[in-house]
Amino acid sequence: SQELTQPPSLSVSPGQTASITCSGDKLGDKYAYWYQQRPGQSPVLVIYKDSERPSGIPERFSGSNSGNTATLTISGTQAIDEADYYCQAWDTTTAVFGGGTKLTVL
Amino acid sequence: QVQLQESGPGLVKPSQTLSLTCTVSGGSISDSFYWCWIRQPAGKGLEWIGHIYSSGSTSYSPSLKSRVTISADSSKNQFSLNLSSVTAADTAMYYCASAHWGWGSRGYYFYYMDVWGKGTTVTVSS
Repeated sequence: SQELTQPPSLSVSPGQTASITCSGDKLGDKYAYWYQQRPGQSPVLVIYKDSERPSGIPERFSGSNSGNTATLTISGTQAIDEADYYCQAWDTTTAVFGGGTKLTVL
Repeated sequence: QVQLQESGPGLVKPSQTLSLTCTVSGGSISDSFYWCWIRQPAGKGLEWIGHIYSSGSTSYSPSLKSRVTISADSSKNQFSLNLSSVTAADTAMYYCASAHWGWGSRGYYFYYMDVWGKGTTVTVSS
């Protein structure tokens, strides 16, 4: 079954670019999705089908997926972007989440 | 815009069955979405539990399949989760969500959850 691996944490300074990776066997042969979860809140979809942004998600959020790695990129990171980020993929009959990456903006 | 609201007991005794309901508003449970349950233990990551489609077809996480049943009641516009033989390991925040699905331009199947409920905390304890 598909397993998705994310770095547990990442720290960036305000205004810098944050790149969060999600690794899985042949992940590039399927779509990847990304969710943002701020403390005490429900997850919010920020990227779907590798690189599409839902309505209302800022343009600084972008995504890519190739080979074994999907990447969520946040350009010009802001303090409000501090959150946990989860990747997700579909594996035959089940949805699979990565373990999550805690993004700290300091 | 669809909205989802979870409800159910916040405390369940070990070995009993956890039962939660998700009420759908702003849309119909007969719409072409998958209706999902996801859980998250405190301080840990997300775990997909399973889903039901408007046709009644279901799919469950292999790790929970033997204990999970997801059902739907179109007359009430609700879907429900039953998790049997619970232990402390089932203590978590439980979310319901709606999932879009289909085939994308790359020829790949897509499935993602774009509307989530606020979640409900369930504690398993005697």
